[in-house]
Amino acid sequence: NAGVMQNPRHLVRRRGQEARLRCSPMKGHSHVYWYRQLPEEGLKFMVYLQKENIIDESGMPKERFSAEFPKEGPSILRIQQVVRGDSAAYFCASSPRAGGGGTEAFFGQGTRLTVV
Amino acid sequence: GDSVTQMEGPVTLSEEAFLTINCTYTATGYPSLFWYVQYPGEGLQLLLKATKADDKGSNKGFEATYRKETTSFHLEKGSVQVSDSAVYFCALTQNQAGTALIFGKGTTLSVSS
Repeated sequence: NAGVMQNPRHLVRRRGQEARLRCSPMKGHSHVYWYRQLPEEGLKFMVYLQKENIIDESGMPKERFSAEFPKEGPSILRIQQVVRGDSAAYFCASSPRAGGGGTEAFFGQGTRLTVV
Repeated sequence: GDSVTQMEGPVTLSEEAFLTINCTYTATGYPSLFWYVQYPGEGLQLLLKATKADDKGSNKGFEATYRKETTSFHLEKGSVQVSDSAVYFCALTQNQAGTALIFGKGTTLSVSS
């Protein structure tokens, strides 16, 4: 059973370009969380999605960032017009049911975005 | 809001030394508490968890006890190995369905032989 798959592992974008990060959850998991890890910081929650629905996007910047989790295919985190401050590691986690309580989240290896 | 505070790293130990990584939290109610480990170039893996006060989580020789009175969840291991070198994250989540994990900043552990 493959784990959570994220791609690409490394992504370099020039300022002003778009970045698309993909996350395929574990088989049977319909709940996806995106986190961002800035240098010297812990992971910060961005957005929680179920299939075709955004449940909680309270951690996502209001502009330039968007996320989706379509009925078919991976979850996508999209960053438009990237700036240097977007450089970070972006992690996706999935779970078979809604998080909270003792529910374990399974993490992908992350996408390391570098904006030059 | 809820938060997690971990001791600053890096922590440098010799093989077979005793390990403690301190973690305290601020939260309403009775959150669940976790330790995740991140090996170089990898994603986070759940190391252990505790879901109520006085519970002890344990795995691979690591253990941590949920202390409500001191709002702490310190990670301990009696004898570390070189292979334990990694970044360790303390985290919490509230018990409502759908709530995300709140992480500490992480503590880097380096074990030498």
